Amino acid sequence: AQSVSQHNHHVILSEAASLELGCNYSYGGTVNLFWYVQYPGQHLQLLLKYFSGDPLVKGIKGFEAEFIKSKFSFNLRKPSVQWSDTAEYFCAVRWTGGFKTIFGAGTRLFVKA
Amino acid sequence: GAGVSQSPSNKVTEKGKDVELRCDPISGHTALYWYRQRLGQGLEFLIYFQGNSAPDKSGLPSDRFSAERTGESVSTLTIQRTQQEDSAVYLCASSSGTLSYEQYFGPGTRLTVT
Repeated sequence: AQSVSQHNHHVILSEAASLELGCNYSYGGTVNLFWYVQYPGQHLQLLLKYFSGDPLVKGIKGFEAEFIKSKFSFNLRKPSVQWSDTAEYFCAVRWTGGFKTIFGAGTRLFVKA
Repeated sequence: GAGVSQSPSNKVTEKGKDVELRCDPISGHTALYWYRQRLGQGLEFLIYFQGNSAPDKSGLPSDRFSAERTGESVSTLTIQRTQQEDSAVYLCASSSGTLSYEQYFGPGTRLTVT
């Protein structure tokens, strides 16, 4: 069955620390990949997406993600986090040919000021 | 412009009652999704609409759940004979239906079944 795994459920970092959040999906095929973010009290919003081309994707607020097809992974990174990055982050995958987008369980990031 | 709106924002109901949750997508968005998010868990896909047809209903957890959509506009998710395990946040999202497939989410309806 199609599934998406996020390795960390809770992450606590100090400001200026580097961030990497893991995301793996269950099997191959052509995929569209997304990271969504939900800031406290706000709606889910798109952070970045990958459809094709350069596997290193840059998103808003200094985030980037790298698609590694051989590892079925799409990890999210940021070189230096800020207090305002405190949020919940969701990885999502859509296998082309279908309509369903499968979301991971989410990672709660807390950045200490 | 206006985003996706959902109503009510909170709903408390007694076990066994029926509830209707409403979603107003962004104007012009042809695709509409419903998700369920239980406490501490990820988003669980329920149903997808393209226009007013639902080509993918595979996520509906039981026959107590149904959804409909009027044209390319409002959608309602109905849960009949609610159970305590139905307690969750129900999220609606819409997208333009183009290849971008970016989904724009509403604020959700928090359903509590007592």
